[in-house]
Amino acid sequence: DSGVTQTPKHLITATGQRVTLRCSPRSGDLSVYWYQQSLDQGLQFLIQYYNGEERAKGNILERFSAQQFPDLHSELNLSSLELGDSALYFCASSVAGGGTYEQYFGPGTRLTVT
Amino acid sequence: EDQVTQSPEALRLQEGESSSLNCSYTVSGLRGLFWYRQDPGKGPEFLFTLYSAGEEKEKERLKATLTKKESFLHITAPKPEDSATYLCAVQLRGGATNKLIFGTGTLLAVQP
Repeated sequence: DSGVTQTPKHLITATGQRVTLRCSPRSGDLSVYWYQQSLDQGLQFLIQYYNGEERAKGNILERFSAQQFPDLHSELNLSSLELGDSALYFCASSVAGGGTYEQYFGPGTRLTVT
Repeated sequence: EDQVTQSPEALRLQEGESSSLNCSYTVSGLRGLFWYRQDPGKGPEFLFTLYSAGEEKEKERLKATLTKKESFLHITAPKPEDSATYLCAVQLRGGATNKLIFGTGTLLAVQP
């Protein structure tokens, strides 16, 4: 158990809908990362937050957004969902925003768009 | 473009048959190289961080090494419970983020 929690574990929804994925980092970690894992693309970095502020963006679609709250949990919002958004979404956390710190991953949310 | 390539894509071993997985990288500047293990449907589990060429780290039957262009994950006398996908990732030097750039992984199957 990494100490990172994610809810829900599974999500099935229809095209055009909007969903919210939730992540709680390990105790003491200030940085949260979101990654998407699909069969053809592997693990891709989406976005990073550090202590409530956006730190870096990867290949995140405009339909996707995220935030980190004062209690450091984070939410990833996916809207106008398409079939191609079906994937595993992982949250990871680390102690700090820069430097070489290990990232610990949560169990993931499996999103299926039908 | 920063890139991480892992080989082979899949590897099947007999229990006790040692082998190595390869991770080659082309990056503008390396801050650290990470190895993770991922079981089906689960999140990646951290194994090792390597920082500079010549560095080695060990954990049970696994040993990770790093050169200026690649890293190897050596598996000695593997057991069926070592079956998993092994992911390599790099962090780039410079900038305020320590996002990870992942390879596509090596799927290891160890047969009893």
